[in-house]
Amino acid sequence: GNSVTQMEGPVTLSEEAFLTINCTYTATGYPSLFWYVQYPGEGLQLLLKATKADDKGSNKGFEATYRKETTSFHLEKGSVQVSDSAVYFCALPREAGGTSYGKLTFGQGTILTVHP
Amino acid sequence: DTGVSQDPRHKITKRGQNVTFRCDPISEHNRLYWYRQTLGQGPEFLTYFQNEAQLEKSRLLSDRFSAERPKGSFSTLEIQRTEQGDSAMYLCASSPKRRLEETQYFGPGTRLLVL
Repeated sequence: GNSVTQMEGPVTLSEEAFLTINCTYTATGYPSLFWYVQYPGEGLQLLLKATKADDKGSNKGFEATYRKETTSFHLEKGSVQVSDSAVYFCALPREAGGTSYGKLTFGQGTILTVHP
Repeated sequence: DTGVSQDPRHKITKRGQNVTFRCDPISEHNRLYWYRQTLGQGPEFLTYFQNEAQLEKSRLLSDRFSAERPKGSFSTLEIQRTEQGDSAMYLCASSPKRRLEETQYFGPGTRLLVL
């Protein structure tokens, strides 16, 4: 099945710094790619997604581009805020199609801490 | 609020007791998933329903675990004879049945602590 490798953290930044969290994947075909965010004590929230190669997903100042040449989907933000402190997960469907359609496989997560 | 809801949010139990968690998906979503998340890890797939049919179960789901979705709406996850290793966050997610739709929407989770 498909798999994802995520940059190991934790990542600590000062407010307004530039953020990159690396994510690479191995997949059959071209599945959708996702970034989810988990704030302390909460479940996962969809941050952004891209459904095909060269698509750029964006939300709340975060961006990620689906790059099939490098099998990557790196998360970036130009200027982080203290409120961005959370755990970030890269994810993709474990398999393509079939009766188990949509089952996701996740990276191990990257803890981001932003200091004022 | 039309998001995925889970109840309870927290559960503390003693080893050997049974626990049951409930998930209410987004109303028009017919796909429902359960995941387990342990500290410092990403969620791991447990089981999947399409309407009331349980179509897939992970090998992580031992015989002590059972999940149901009797009317194709809410779902329950029961753990019998809990063990300390069952301590984790249990996440529910739902998704609409649309061709090529792969986005899943997660609930807030139920955090289980087995003493």
